[in-house]
Formats: sequence, C-alpha cells, structure tokens
Amino acid sequence: ETGVTQTPRHLVMGMTNKKSLKCEQHLGHNAMYWYKQSAKKPLELMFVYNFKEQTENNSVPSRFSPECPNSSHLFLHLHTLQPEDSALYLCASSQVGGGEVSYEQYFGPGTRLTVT
Amino acid sequence: QKEVEQNSGPLSVPEGAIASLNCTYSDRGSQSFFWYRQYSGKSPELIMFIYSNGDKEDGRFTAQLNKASQYVSLLIRDSQPSDSATYLCAGDNYGQNFVFGPGTRLSVLP
Repeated sequence: ETGVTQTPRHLVMGMTNKKSLKCEQHLGHNAMYWYKQSAKKPLELMFVYNFKEQTENNSVPSRFSPECPNSSHLFLHLHTLQPEDSALYLCASSQVGGGEVSYEQYFGPGTRLTVT
Repeated sequence: QKEVEQNSGPLSVPEGAIASLNCTYSDRGSQSFFWYRQYSGKSPELIMFIYSNGDKEDGRFTAQLNKASQYVSLLIRDSQPSDSATYLCAGDNYGQNFVFGPGTRLSVLP
C-alpha cells in the first residue's frame, strides 16, 4: 500500500458512456498526476495538479476532463471514449516545494479501462 | 524535448547473477533520479532514488549516478526470479519536470 487509492480498479464502458475515475491520496502531498499506460508503451503524463491548480496538460483530448477539488482528491471524467483509449490509468502524488531535492512520486494501483 | 532513454530489453540474467540496468537523460537540469519496478499489470513501485554523484546502496540494489555523463544505472545483486519485472528510470528537476523512460524488461532465469 502506497497511500494512494484508486477506484474503480476495473472499468468496461461503451463509447457513448460517461464515467469517472477517482483517486485519493492519504500522504499529505500537494501534487497529483494522471498517467496513461497502454500495452507495451511507456507511461504518458496526462495532467498535473500542483496545489490544486492544473499546471500541465500534455495535449490530452477533451474527452478526458480532470477535476481536483482539493489536494487529496483527483478525478478523471471520461466521455465518448474510443477503443484506443483502453489502457491502465494511473494516479500518482508527490510533495513538491519546500526546498528538497527529490520529489518522488507514489502511484496508486491503477484503473484498467476497456472501451468497447 | 527532455527525454530519458532506456534499453527496452528483455535483459535476461541467471538467478544469483548481477543485473545491470542503464538509463541516460538529456536534461542537464535534472537533479534527482528514480528507479521504479513494475510487475505486469501492476503499478510502478519506487525502489530508490539518487541525487548525488556516485553510488547509493539499499540492500541488494545499488544506484549509480554520473551527472557529467548524464547516466544513471541500477545494479541488482543476487538476482532472484521475483526480480523479473520492468524497471522504469525517471529524472526530475526539483519537482518541475518528472520524466519517465520507457522501461527495461528484466527476466531472471531460475
């Protein structure tokens, strides 16, 4: 257990559905991240929130919509997805700032998403 | 484009041998480096991090950093079949630019 939880762990959805992924961190961190990991591909950073404000959006399609209501919770809202969006979606958190050198990220278990 | 490069593997070593995993990075501003282990279907798990030139040891794992050569490595001594996984290298600049490499798949043969 890393202190980062994600729900659901598995999700199957049709292309016309709307669903949300949830992430919660219990580490007191101030930054949270969404990553996508497709089969046999490297981790792709999707969104970064520092101090609840989105600081990075790596050209992610608008069918993915993040929400960060507070520093402990992060959501990824999904709508009208495509089959190629099927992947493992990982949430991570870290503590940034404070003059440290290393800001290691801790990952949740991921949500395995299948779009049919 | 700030990148972290790794050989994709697979790297195969016999049980009990030393596994050597290598990583290079392009961003000279990167200050700290991380090694994660990821089992198939699971999320990445932090093994160790290093930010000073030289070696850092933790149990069977040793991370090595050479900032002049922009090179990071991970040595796994006395490799076990349970070490078989994909190892991800990442570099970061004070929390501003965390970049993962594509990972190296390690297979430890019994």
